[in-house]
Amino acid sequence: QSALTQPASVSGSPGQSITISCAGTSSDVGAYKYVSWYQHFSGKAPRLLIYDVNMRPSGVSNRFSGSKSDNTASLTISGLQAADEADYYCCSYAGSATYVVFGGGTKLTVL
Amino acid sequence: EVQLVEAGGGLVQPGGSLRLSCAASGFTFSSHYMHWVRQAPGKGLVWVSRINSDESSTIYADSVKGRFTISRDNAKNTLYLQMNSLRDEDTAVYYCGRGILGPAVAFDMWGQGTMVTVSS
Repeated sequence: QSALTQPASVSGSPGQSITISCAGTSSDVGAYKYVSWYQHFSGKAPRLLIYDVNMRPSGVSNRFSGSKSDNTASLTISGLQAADEADYYCCSYAGSATYVVFGGGTKLTVL
Repeated sequence: EVQLVEAGGGLVQPGGSLRLSCAASGFTFSSHYMHWVRQAPGKGLVWVSRINSDESSTIYADSVKGRFTISRDNAKNTLYLQMNSLRDEDTAVYYCGRGILGPAVAFDMWGQGTMVTVSS
């Protein structure tokens, strides 16, 4: 069982928007602004999409956005494209003892 | 080219040892914290270990504490993971990840991974 809880799968049609939730606790997501999101194609290197809850690294499309409310973080992908079909993982700093925890991953299907 | 390239994976028997390496190029390796993250077959990403930029501080997930050792050679731009007393549940693709500069905790570059299979 992963430390952070994500839906196993989400789906959407091209052009639509989807949101992936990431439920944590007051010891991780709720305690720090260090939430990040990753896109992962099987057999490839994961890619950083969002860090510090809502910051996008250079080169990441503004179709990807992040937010947080209390103990739950969210990733929103707008203007869905077929190329967005991948696994998405949330990650949070969880203090000096545990350090980092990931969510179980969400498989995005573009219909 | 800015990249991370892992090596050293393979098949090992339970109780055995393996040393992974991660060669960095195209950036100032010595400025970044570095991490190992793994993914068991059909499972999600799991953080394994972190080392700070000058090797003065390391931290491990409870599942590998006392068995795995992370290290780095900044002169060779290389990160290592020494894995001892391997168990079946250590079977996974192991990725090295670069810590993002600044106070944020995130991994802004990853390698393609190296597969470790623990089986008799």
